[in-house]
Amino acid sequence: QVELQESGPGLVKPSETLSLTCSVSGGSISNYYWSWTRQSAGKGLEWIGRIYSSGSSNINPSLKSRVTMSVDTSNNQFSLELSFVTAADTAVYYCARVYYYDRWYYADYWGQGTLVTVSS
Amino acid sequence: DIQMTQSPSSLSASVGDRVTITCRASQSISSSLNWYQQIPGKAPKVLIYGASSLQSGVPSRFSGSGSGTDFTLTISSLQPEDFATYYCQQTYSNPWTFGRGTKVDI
Repeated sequence: QVELQESGPGLVKPSETLSLTCSVSGGSISNYYWSWTRQSAGKGLEWIGRIYSSGSSNINPSLKSRVTMSVDTSNNQFSLELSFVTAADTAVYYCARVYYYDRWYYADYWGQGTLVTVSS
Repeated sequence: DIQMTQSPSSLSASVGDRVTITCRASQSISSSLNWYQQIPGKAPKVLIYGASSLQSGVPSRFSGSGSGTDFTLTISSLQPEDFATYYCQQTYSNPWTFGRGTKVDI
């Protein structure tokens, strides 16, 4: 059974960088896509982007200038950095595995989510 | 961006009811449409992928249909554990986008 666990600070100051890591257990990070999605009361579910185990990524254009994603295959982890955060970035952040099957992409395993609050 | 519009935004139903939720895309997305269920405080859970394929382990009372711009999620006989919020998501083009959700309650 694949399990994902987000970790990182729950409080980030405005203009600073939000950094989260997703640790994957029960399966290899190799040969899959991995994604970040966030959820806030105001904007519902917002897809941030996805990264393949090779390191190639697709980022939501609305966030692209501030987002960096990376993969650490040796530690079975992948990470998200979001720079210059504002209160609008306050949300629950989820990591997930993206499964590609028969032309379709879907997130089949999710982390429990971590609340990140942006406040001074 | 492709906009996903769900309706209704909420509905009240009873155990045993047949429930239908619709999702409309702002442009054609072929069958690149997923449905997720989210219980408060939990992560979303995929129910349907490719518009009509049932994810392994998901009860057969859930079904999906549609292609192009119009899609439907149907719960044939609502069970107590189905009271949740349901989201559609398109994965046809970047950025992947979600609908605003349909809350199903009693």
